[in-house]
Amino acid sequence: KQEVTQIPAALSVPEGENLVLNCSFTDSAIYNLQWFRQDPGKGLTSLLLIQSSQREQTSGRLNASLDKSSGRSTLYIAASQPGDSATYLCAVSLGTNAGKSTFGDGTTLTVKP
Amino acid sequence: ETGVTQSPTHLIKTRGQQVTLRCSSQSGHNTVSWYQQALGQGPQFIFQYYREEENGRGNFPPRFSGLQFPNYSSELNVNALELDDSALYLCASSLGHFPDTQYFGPGTRLTVL
Repeated sequence: KQEVTQIPAALSVPEGENLVLNCSFTDSAIYNLQWFRQDPGKGLTSLLLIQSSQREQTSGRLNASLDKSSGRSTLYIAASQPGDSATYLCAVSLGTNAGKSTFGDGTTLTVKP
Repeated sequence: ETGVTQSPTHLIKTRGQQVTLRCSSQSGHNTVSWYQQALGQGPQFIFQYYREEENGRGNFPPRFSGLQFPNYSSELNVNALELDDSALYLCASSLGHFPDTQYFGPGTRLTVL
């Protein structure tokens, strides 16, 4: 059974700081890994998708890496801003398509002005 | 905007009642997955539909059932509601093939009294 863990559960940083969020998973036979952002009481917004054959993806100030052999992914946020405050979730899909994902419980990020 | 919509936004029911939640996927997305998210936790996979057939199920009892229609809409039905069914219910649509990014709707907040 796939288990996904995100550490830390909460993180508070001053504006402008670079930061790393961690995601670990127990079954390395993944189809893809996706990072999401969730604002309070809202749905999930896709940030980055990494296919199982890829090592990293970048979008703007965000960079996600994937190391299947060690069962780890990191989300790097450069030059954090107060608008980045949200809960960040990673999700791992097994099998041959997306969906049927196993999620971590997320890291709640607060960026202080 | 993900192009995925859900209705209703909020719903209050009493224990033992039945509820139907609706989702409209992006056009062309053959796969829809449903998730339950309890407060402070990551989403839990309920089941997935691919081209109107169930294509995998998580650890949820049979009183959780679904339908997918040819017009890219889908339903989640829950019978005999229990207090623990109170949660945010999310649907996600994807192509069903590479690159298979999941796009989430805003969710339906269900409260069971």
